[in-house]
Amino acid sequence: EIQLVESGGRLIQPGDSLKVSCVASGFNITDNFMSWVRQAAGGGLEWVSFISHDETTRYADSVRGRFTISRDNSKNTVSLQMRSLRVDDTGVYYCASGMPSDHWGQGTLVTVSS
Amino acid sequence: LVLTQSPSASASLGDSVRLTCSLTRGHSNYGVAWLQQQPERGPRFVMELNADGSFDRGDGIPDRFSGSSFGAERYLTISSLQSEDEADYYCQTWATDFWVFGEGTKLTVL
Repeated sequence: EIQLVESGGRLIQPGDSLKVSCVASGFNITDNFMSWVRQAAGGGLEWVSFISHDETTRYADSVRGRFTISRDNSKNTVSLQMRSLRVDDTGVYYCASGMPSDHWGQGTLVTVSS
Repeated sequence: LVLTQSPSASASLGDSVRLTCSLTRGHSNYGVAWLQQQPERGPRFVMELNADGSFDRGDGIPDRFSGSSFGAERYLTISSLQSEDEADYYCQTWATDFWVFGEGTKLTVL
């Protein structure tokens, strides 16, 4: 059974950094696109970033230069390092696998507030 | 590349409903994915829908869910509506360098 479990979300101050992670089971992340999608409270889904099976990375304009996606193949884990966080980065961050995204985690809440 | 969805839809228990996702002009060759998000839950993959109207459902998705395409329109039809179908439905598409989501349709089952 494929599972994605996110962790690392918490309350953090504007300007600070935070890393969220996603542990995958039931498949190898090296065989798949892995992505991060976020959702503000009461809002829709917003694509943030993906990393392809050949480690090509892409970012939404709103996060490019501040966020970095990476993967640790030995731990079957994908991470999102977020820097210079802003209040409008607040939301639930979902990890998803595949292109299109056919498996999703339950999300981790990142709250950026002073 | 923009996906347009109606904000809301409603239908009665046991009836059918068709949700629409419209691609911007010039992108009618793109396929989409349909996602379901029930309240307080993460998204769930419903199906991949191709421009030619062929589709592949996700794991555990019942055959009450079907897809179709016409020009730049992508449709998700849910038949024999059940209470658990009440959810937000998003369409998603992808290009080489980015992904796009529609704004979602809130489906109410009456």
